[in-house]
Amino acid sequence: AQTVTQSQPEMSVQEAETVTLSCTYDTSESDYYLFWYKQPPSRQMILVIRQEAYKQQNATENRFSVNFQKAAKSFSLKISDSQLGDAAMYFCAYKSTNFGNEKLTFGTGTRLTIIP
Amino acid sequence: GAVVSQHPSWVICKSGTSVKIECRSLDFQATTMFWYRQFPKQSLMLMATSNEGSKATYEQGVEKDKFLINHASLTLSTLTVTSAHPEDSSFYICSASPFDRKNTEAFFGQGTRLTVV
Repeated sequence: AQTVTQSQPEMSVQEAETVTLSCTYDTSESDYYLFWYKQPPSRQMILVIRQEAYKQQNATENRFSVNFQKAAKSFSLKISDSQLGDAAMYFCAYKSTNFGNEKLTFGTGTRLTIIP
Repeated sequence: GAVVSQHPSWVICKSGTSVKIECRSLDFQATTMFWYRQFPKQSLMLMATSNEGSKATYEQGVEKDKFLINHASLTLSTLTVTSAHPEDSSFYICSASPFDRKNTEAFFGQGTRLTVV
């Protein structure tokens, strides 16, 4: 079974600064997907960024980028130019590419606070 | 984009009664939907996989007789909490993906906050 670990329960960053959230995972599969989801106070889950394991290039979405280290099974999220609206819980998630196994396995989450 | 709608957003029920939560895919068909439970300040824990036209697949430790799941159509899955007790109070979230985007993104409902008094 796959596991996802987020070792930082809480993080804070000054507005406009950069912060990195950590995520490690364990799997025996060679192909899979990794995601970062954001859950603001509304509790609506919002996709931030995704990475396909077979792609070596790190995914980027505007101010959000990942550092994907497949050998180390590490998948960190970097938020640049932090904004007040980035304050939320961030969950790292793993998904197998095996047919019929479409569920997401989530980490325990990191609560990000933005300091004005 | 793909939209998943969950209803109700919140519900309060008396201990011993049953409550039904609906999860609808509004603009796509979903043969599979997922039900998660989230305790305060915790992560999402998968409860079960809802399969259209067949029985749901429950995760270990989840009572299938207590959490009844029905996936009667390609756009609707329901979760019924039977004989609810205060310990069932939680936040329940469903998710689904269009068939051609199963690997790229899961779309989540708004969640349902259940309070059992």
